[in-house]
Amino acid sequence: GDSVTQMEGPVTLSEEAFLTINCTYTATGYPSLFWYVQYPGEGLQLLLKATKADDKGSNKGFEATYRKETTSFHLEKGSVQVSDSAVYFCALANDYKLSFGAGTTVTVRA
Amino acid sequence: EAQVTQNPRYLITVTGKKLTVTCSQNMNHEYMSWYRQDPGLGLRQIYYSMNVEVTDKGDVPEGYKVSRKEKRNFPLILESPSPNQTSLYFCASQGGLYNEQFFGPGTRLTVL
Repeated sequence: GDSVTQMEGPVTLSEEAFLTINCTYTATGYPSLFWYVQYPGEGLQLLLKATKADDKGSNKGFEATYRKETTSFHLEKGSVQVSDSAVYFCALANDYKLSFGAGTTVTVRA
Repeated sequence: EAQVTQNPRYLITVTGKKLTVTCSQNMNHEYMSWYRQDPGLGLRQIYYSMNVEVTDKGDVPEGYKVSRKEKRNFPLILESPSPNQTSLYFCASQGGLYNEQFFGPGTRLTVL
């Protein structure tokens, strides 16, 4: 079946540091790929998405590129802020089935 | 405002006492789903529904029931809750194939 593997946390960074969270997937067919973010005490929000190979999703300074050859969708941000502290989930959608990674907790210190 | 709502947001109950968590969406989405979130396990799908009167099991359906009598509502029923069902529950809806899902705010359930 489909599966998503993302780097384990927690990740602690200083403000303005570079953030990378690795995500790889196993899937049949041509899934869509997503990054969701969960701020403390809240539900999941879509951060960005990519629907086909070589697509780049971007939002709020975050970027991720759908790499079919390496089955990866790594999340990056060049300069993090304290407000980026959250749990980040990589996910893939195959048909209506959404499969999640375990989540990576990111803490940004001022 | 497009949204998914869940009630209650917090619930503490005792083993064996039946409970229902409601979920409603106002986006006219056909697909709805329930997840539970546990530390280190990410989100795991409990049940999903492709449309009214069409439901199917997800990855962890044991101990749960659902119904879909109206398009907008998808309640989660725990007939006889047990402590291992203590978790954070999310309802979600999706508007089309391969699209993103919209999540409710979550229900934190504690079963004593």
